[in-house]
Amino acid sequence: QVQLQESGPGLVKPSQTLSLTCSVSGGSIAFTTYYWSWIRQPAGKGLEWIGRVYASGSTDYNSSLKSRVTISVDTSKNQFSLRLSSVTAADTAVYYCARADYYGLVDVWAQGTTVAVAS
Amino acid sequence: SYVLTQPPSVSVPPGKTATITCGGNKIGAKSVHWYQQQPGQAPVVVIQNDSDRPAGIPERFSGSNSGNMASLTISSVEAGDEADYYCQVWDGSSDHVVFGGGTKLTVL
Repeated sequence: QVQLQESGPGLVKPSQTLSLTCSVSGGSIAFTTYYWSWIRQPAGKGLEWIGRVYASGSTDYNSSLKSRVTISVDTSKNQFSLRLSSVTAADTAVYYCARADYYGLVDVWAQGTTVAVAS
Repeated sequence: SYVLTQPPSVSVPPGKTATITCGGNKIGAKSVHWYQQQPGQAPVVVIQNDSDRPAGIPERFSGSNSGNMASLTISSVEAGDEADYYCQVWDGSSDHVVFGGGTKLTVL
């Protein structure tokens, strides 16, 4: 049974870069047809898709964040990562890593990690 | 970009039927997935590919999709169904996953 776990700082200063890593256990990132995704949710608001990475390294990003987002995969560590640059308070949210199929259907979610942007 | 529109809230008495809609341009041509999110928890898919129930989801949950509207129907609503519900599609024209704004279901 595949499980996901996010890790990274819970507090980031404005204008800095938010970095999170998602560790995958119970299965290999490399030998699947899944897309490894990041989704966020500001407090009291809805879900926002950030982007996804395939085992090959190919990516798709939300166009509203594309200029600031990088999602990468490290198959040797069975991890994938999110970097979001030039953060502001509007980037404060619960960040979820997730496993999804090509059509975005998420079947495995991590528990979510709260990231606050504040000085 | 593709937009999915959900009502912010739906309220129903226990035992009745709740219908949550998800509007989008020609959404009937897309596969719609529905997620339930309880407070403080990650979402869980309750309907996938318009109308398929994943293992463990009660038969009370059903879905449909046609034209410009998809719907999630919950029959014989229970207190435990009170949650936020999100629809989601893949927009192939922009290579985006799109979520609806979410609907809060209240069991009166």
